[in-house]
Amino acid sequence: EVQLVESGGGLVQPGGSLKLSCAASGFTYDDYAMNWVRQAPGKGLEWVSGLTWNSGTIVYADSVKGRFTISRDNAKNSLYLQMNSLRPDDTALYFCAKGLTLHPSGAFDYWGQGILVTVSS
Amino acid sequence: QSVLTQPPSASAAPGQRVTISCSGITSNIGSHTISWYQHLPGTAPKLLIFSTNQRPSGVPDRFSGSKSGNSASLAISGLQSEDEGAYYCAAWDDSLNGGVFGGGTKVTVL
Repeated sequence: EVQLVESGGGLVQPGGSLKLSCAASGFTYDDYAMNWVRQAPGKGLEWVSGLTWNSGTIVYADSVKGRFTISRDNAKNSLYLQMNSLRPDDTALYFCAKGLTLHPSGAFDYWGQGILVTVSS
Repeated sequence: QSVLTQPPSASAAPGQRVTISCSGITSNIGSHTISWYQHLPGTAPKLLIFSTNQRPSGVPDRFSGSKSGNSASLAISGLQSEDEGAYYCAAWDDSLNGGVFGGGTKVTVL
């Protein structure tokens, strides 16, 4: 059974940093791209970032480019999102999402339950 | 404002059919396949359709997807009460070099 479990969320002040983690199991982790998707309160889904199976290609939404860094450790079956210079509009439920192929695309077949990040003073 | 455009709401009676549209442009829907997701409150989003018209195993054939030009649609036939929730379309966008979602459509079973 595929499982994706996010951790590391919480309350942080504007300008602060936070690192999210996603532990994956139940599939051959290094055969697939991985992504982060978020949902702000009362809003729709927003793709944040994705990377290929080997981290050879990394892409970001314009809204987070230069502030967020996605990474993965295939030896640990883990995905990360380092979030710096956080703003109140980064407040959202962050989902870890598995891609369908080696490369990032607009398709995600498994999702975690999400982890809440709140940016507020 | 979302890159892909969906109607905010749709509704139909139990057993009826509802169709949700998803409008984009050449760099996203016009050039790539579409995926659709069901998102119920308090749960993880669920993949309903990938590669525009393919269903993952376990998704009932009541759900179907199609695309024409820069627009796509999701049809739900034989509507059931458990189908109530939000539905999102998604695609890759070559100009943005990233994934894009629609704003979501809330489906209500009357």
